[in-house]
Amino acid sequence: EVQLEESGGTLVQPGESLTLSCAASGVPFSTYWMTWVRQAPGKGLEWVATIKEDGGEKYYVDSVKGRFTISRDNAKNSLYLQMNSLRAEDTALYYCARVTRGSASTIWGQGTLVSVSS
Amino acid sequence: DVVMTQSPLSLPVTLGQPASISCRSSQSLVHSDGNTYLTWFQQRPGQSPRRLIYKISNRDSGVPDRFSGSGSATDFTLKISGVEAEDVGVYYCMQHTHWPLTFGPGTKLDIK
Repeated sequence: EVQLEESGGTLVQPGESLTLSCAASGVPFSTYWMTWVRQAPGKGLEWVATIKEDGGEKYYVDSVKGRFTISRDNAKNSLYLQMNSLRAEDTALYYCARVTRGSASTIWGQGTLVSVSS
Repeated sequence: DVVMTQSPLSLPVTLGQPASISCRSSQSLVHSDGNTYLTWFQQRPGQSPRRLIYKISNRDSGVPDRFSGSGSATDFTLKISGVEAEDVGVYYCMQHTHWPLTFGPGTKLDIK
């Protein structure tokens, strides 16, 4: 069964750092672009970042550029999101997802909750 | 950035009746490769999103055929031919043509 499982979400104070992880199983991880999407409480979906199969291309939403870094370890079938200088507005459920353009199935994890508050 | 708008934002529907959601983009979603990467997601209450439709009108495996997508360039529609109870949730369009990827604000469908 194809699965993505996020971890690392917790309560942090503004300005602190946090790294989220996403473990993939049952899916050919290294052959797909991978994405982080977040959802603030009671709000809609917001794309955060995407990384190419080999890590050679990375894209970010403007609001996290310079603060967040997406990375991957294909040998470990894992995706990461390093988040620095966290703000209250970064509070959200963070989803790891294989979001494809074509017929290959799009897969989402269950999300990990990041709360930024003093 | 491409701005995605949806209407209506709230959609109460009687069971068995059709429903339609409009999605518009601020610029054409036709990619240089000729494809139009417009996707529809469904998010049921308490669940992760699920893709229903990709490239405007292609249904994902396991998606009931009462769901259909249509449109072109900047104007797209998701239709449900006869709403069932399990269709309650929020529906998002998303463009996957231009960076940054952008979602519509979501349309909340519930049963009247």
